[in-house]
Amino acid sequence: AQSVTQPDIHITVSEGASLELRCNYSYGATPYLFWYVQSPGQGLQLLLKYFSGDTLVQGIKGFEAEFKRSQSSFNLRKPSVHWSDAAEYFCAVRNSGNTPLVFGKGTRLSVIA
Amino acid sequence: DAGVIQSPRHEVTEMGQEVTLRCKPISGHDYLFWYRQTMMRGLELLIYFNNNVPIDDSGMPEDRFSAKMPNASFSTLKIQPSEPRDSAVYFCASSPLGVDTQYFGPGTRLTVL
Repeated sequence: AQSVTQPDIHITVSEGASLELRCNYSYGATPYLFWYVQSPGQGLQLLLKYFSGDTLVQGIKGFEAEFKRSQSSFNLRKPSVHWSDAAEYFCAVRNSGNTPLVFGKGTRLSVIA
Repeated sequence: DAGVIQSPRHEVTEMGQEVTLRCKPISGHDYLFWYRQTMMRGLELLIYFNNNVPIDDSGMPEDRFSAKMPNASFSTLKIQPSEPRDSAVYFCASSPLGVDTQYFGPGTRLTVL
């Protein structure tokens, strides 16, 4: 069965500092990987996705993620965090096709001045 | 496009009452997913539909939960009778055939007293 682990429940970074959120997955074949962001009281917004090809993918809001098959990881990065990035971030995996997502438990990001 | 629409946004009810959550997917999307988000279990799939037909309902917690999709533009998730442990945020998501991204609604926050 597929599973996703986000080891960090809560991360605090200073505004302007770099950010890396960790995600490890368990899946037998090549996974379809996603990062979503959830602002307080809001739904989930897709930041980026990886299906195949270049292992470094760019997303919205200046985020990027790198797929590392050898480490079963798909970590999310941003070079300079803005206060508006404070939110909950979810990594997710699924099979090909229109199948359901399996989510990690999420990482809550706090940004301090 | 208005995106995925869910109603109500908030629902407070008493234990034993019937609760109906509603979802309008994005027009033209063939797939509809219901997820539930709780502190303890995170985001989990409840059920999903393809062309109005339920494909996988293994995530529905028990017989008190039922979901229908009478047409391509409307789905309901019903809980009868409701219990305090059903308190959660319920998300609806939709996706078109052959496109791997799921688009989420804003969610319904359910509180059962």
